[in-house]
Amino acid sequence: DQQVKQNSPSLSVQEGRISILNCDYTNSMFDYFLWYKKYPAEGPTFLISISSIKDKNEDGRFTVFLNKSAKHLSLHIVPSQPGDSAVYFCAASALVGGKLIFGQGTELSVKP
Amino acid sequence: SQTIHQWPATLVQPVGSPLSLECTVEGTSNPNLYWYRQAAGRGLQLLFYSVGIGQISSEVPQNLSASRPQDRQFILSSKKLLLSDSGFYLCAWREIGGGTEAFFGQGTRLTVV
Repeated sequence: DQQVKQNSPSLSVQEGRISILNCDYTNSMFDYFLWYKKYPAEGPTFLISISSIKDKNEDGRFTVFLNKSAKHLSLHIVPSQPGDSAVYFCAASALVGGKLIFGQGTELSVKP
Repeated sequence: SQTIHQWPATLVQPVGSPLSLECTVEGTSNPNLYWYRQAAGRGLQLLFYSVGIGQISSEVPQNLSASRPQDRQFILSSKKLLLSDSGFYLCAWREIGGGTEAFFGQGTRLTVV
């Protein structure tokens, strides 16, 4: 039972353009969502998060949007840079309890 | 500041041998602790998580077990490894409460031969 889904395994974007990574979840108990960036053979690093009381959170070039009714969130990177090339994971948890579930990841390639 | 240590970085083990991976956290108390596995080309699969000493939740029935003998120590074990246990194992911690980010160790690349 995949509670957090990233349906696009890969995404290719031109440098300077917008990258949009999508994530869907099924568990209505989830109320805190996170995005991570991961390079091969390394642990993921935290990028940005959003709680269910918000629909948008922005940090520099990164913006996360949450649509609770659709159980969908997205990460926008503007402008995209070659250094953004990595695998991006979305994750979800409930504020009560410890479970933290990740999606399958989307490999972003930003071409110069 | 908080730090997380995970070792070893790489491990090659024969089928049927035991496994013990250790993770320790410094600079925080009573964290939530996690073990994840990333199989080749796959996502991060939650294996175990713990909200306190001796409290272990298992997400996937499998050949592995976890223990938390001390507040900031989390151990992943197996009595007999299978080929399918190969993968990249990641330990993580976060503040109790659920509304914060998790911080990951550098991972252990396990190859079962």
